[in-house]
Amino acid sequence: LAKTTQPISMDSYEGQEVNITCSHNNIATNDYITWYQQFPSQGPRFIIQGYKTKVTNEVASLFIPADRKSSTLSLPRVSLSDTAVYYCLVGPDEGDGGSQGNLIFGKGTKLSVKP
Amino acid sequence: DTGVSQDPRHKITKRGQNVTFRCDPISEHNRLYWYRQTLGQGPEFLTYFQNEAQLEKSRLLSDRFSAERPKGSFSTLEIQRTEQGDSAMYLCASSLALGVKNIQYFGAGTRLSVL
Repeated sequence: LAKTTQPISMDSYEGQEVNITCSHNNIATNDYITWYQQFPSQGPRFIIQGYKTKVTNEVASLFIPADRKSSTLSLPRVSLSDTAVYYCLVGPDEGDGGSQGNLIFGKGTKLSVKP
Repeated sequence: DTGVSQDPRHKITKRGQNVTFRCDPISEHNRLYWYRQTLGQGPEFLTYFQNEAQLEKSRLLSDRFSAERPKGSFSTLEIQRTEQGDSAMYLCASSLALGVKNIQYFGAGTRLSVL
């Protein structure tokens, strides 16, 4: 199982760029890296997913170095509404028939954005 | 697109009672997952279905827990003889397994309080 390690919490101010790094030293060859966001009393929401190098969508970027032992979620110009818990997950692609029990959320990183 | 729907949103019960939760996944999704989340922790995988078949169960799923997905549509999670330790948020997620990445879409959850 590829376990992940993230900072427990981070503070930021509105308008700043926030980078949250996740360590996954035991990532397997067929594992993808996925980030979710969760607000209080809501279910997690998919943000971004990648395998290597860089992935960017309308809300975030994901940077993955060549050795894939870590990844960094980058949130540009955060606002108060980005205050949430962010989870890094490492697990097999459904299409490869990997065990779905291998998706481990961990405790996540609690991001607090201040005005 | 109505997203993943869970009912009820909140359930208060007395120790020893049975409770049942319902999850309606996104209509075209063939995979359905149940997770449990306690305060300050990330979601913990319980079980998942592909269509009507229950393909994996976590060791967290004791014999007091049972899940069904008749006809591969909605799913129910039943907890018999509830205990105070069962108090948690129960999350349902669904995904479309067609050789694409395992992106799960979560419902808002059912918060269970066992008195």
